[in-house]
Amino acid sequence: GAGVSQSPRYKVAKRGQDVALRCDPISGHVSLFWYQQALGQGPEFLTYFQNEAQLDKSGLPSDRFFAERPEGSVSTLKIQRTQQEDSAVYLCASSLVQGQRDTQYFGPGTRLTVL
Amino acid sequence: AQSVTQLDSQVPVFEEAPVELRCNYSSSVSVYLFWYVQYPNQGLQLLLKYLSGSTLVESINGFEAEFNKSQTSFHLRKPSVHISDTAEYFCAVKAGGGSNYKLTFGKGTLLTVNP
Repeated sequence: GAGVSQSPRYKVAKRGQDVALRCDPISGHVSLFWYQQALGQGPEFLTYFQNEAQLDKSGLPSDRFFAERPEGSVSTLKIQRTQQEDSAVYLCASSLVQGQRDTQYFGPGTRLTVL
Repeated sequence: AQSVTQLDSQVPVFEEAPVELRCNYSSSVSVYLFWYVQYPNQGLQLLLKYLSGSTLVESINGFEAEFNKSQTSFHLRKPSVHISDTAEYFCAVKAGGGSNYKLTFGKGTLLTVNP
């Protein structure tokens, strides 16, 4: 497809489990972003990649959150030892280049529910 | 740091009525402004953006927004809404400086168009 895809679309985890969320950006897009959207809130920035380099991880809420993009295309957001406060929709976005003017294209998100 | 305030969490209107969704931002540097729309069970889609030039920007489906620097506002308007415009609308800002790739979002406004 032509857009950003994410999998799974829905994930239910028991507290303490590890989860991995996948993002397939638009082909050829250099920049990739992860955002977290809690219920009733707007998306909040988590981390940013330019190709395979993670240039900003300042938004990751704790050291249980880890993201990677080893070959500069697909990215995985991993959450270790999940807690109830991790329940949210995790959005991935990609853009062609990096810059203030560039448009970010969003995937449908993964809704994570931690019981 | 920049922030975005969407003054209304919910806006119910009747079909063919005009609507205005309000957005104010705060930033100490130059900004680019965006409106994204999220239809049920879908990802965020870019509706329109202000980068430079004319302060009035339009979308292909009849929405418009005006950048007002003195009021630090970027309100979204449509003269006549349709049932299909029912969605959540997010205002977002990118600020200049070292983190100019980050989108900062408001909490969203749920627009419900009733017949």
